[in-house]
Amino acid sequence: NAGVTQTPKFQVLKTGQSMTLQCAQDMNHNSMYWYRQDPGMGLRLIYYSASEGTTDKGEVPNGYNVSRLNKREFSLRLESAAPSQTSVYFCASSGGLAGGDEQFFGPGTRLTVL
Amino acid sequence: QQQVKQSPQSLIVQKGGISIINCAYENTAFDYFPWYQQFPGKGPALLIAIRPDVSEKKEGRFTISFNKSAKQFSLHIMDSQPGDSATYFCAAGRAGNNRKLIWGLGTSLAVNP
Repeated sequence: NAGVTQTPKFQVLKTGQSMTLQCAQDMNHNSMYWYRQDPGMGLRLIYYSASEGTTDKGEVPNGYNVSRLNKREFSLRLESAAPSQTSVYFCASSGGLAGGDEQFFGPGTRLTVL
Repeated sequence: QQQVKQSPQSLIVQKGGISIINCAYENTAFDYFPWYQQFPGKGPALLIAIRPDVSEKKEGRFTISFNKSAKQFSLHIMDSQPGDSATYFCAAGRAGNNRKLIWGLGTSLAVNP
């Protein structure tokens, strides 16, 4: 099992450009999450999806959109990137058949917006 | 806003010493308290977790102590090793509640050889 995979690993954008961060999990988890991590700020939840077909805002949703494409995939889109969105983005998933609470994280996408 | 307050922000410990990181939460409805470990360039990974029906949970050199009345929990790393050098995050949430977690800001631990 690959666990949680994220693409791309690194990305540099110019202000105003758009891009989509991809995330996929192969653990049959129901819930998926997008976080951003900034120095001294911990992990901040951007959006989450409790189950296929549902999405909800987290702590810092402004400037982002998400799509839960199917049970495996959860994408994060920046429509018009801003320097304040320079961050490391983590996707996570949880809640398999055993109903576990553990969140499994991907390796992250390091995004720089110039 | 619900918060989880984590301290200290950074910690330096000698090899073989005890590392202690503390967290405090506000919402008495929380019933799941995990600790995550993150190495540079990697995503966080679950280290150990506790539920409020027990006051302590131990896994190897890692122990969570939980004080329900004080709404506090802590991570103790016994016999700290240089390989334990990482950032540690505490979190809190309601088990099964869409499995959202409220995260502490993290503690950067350095274990000197």
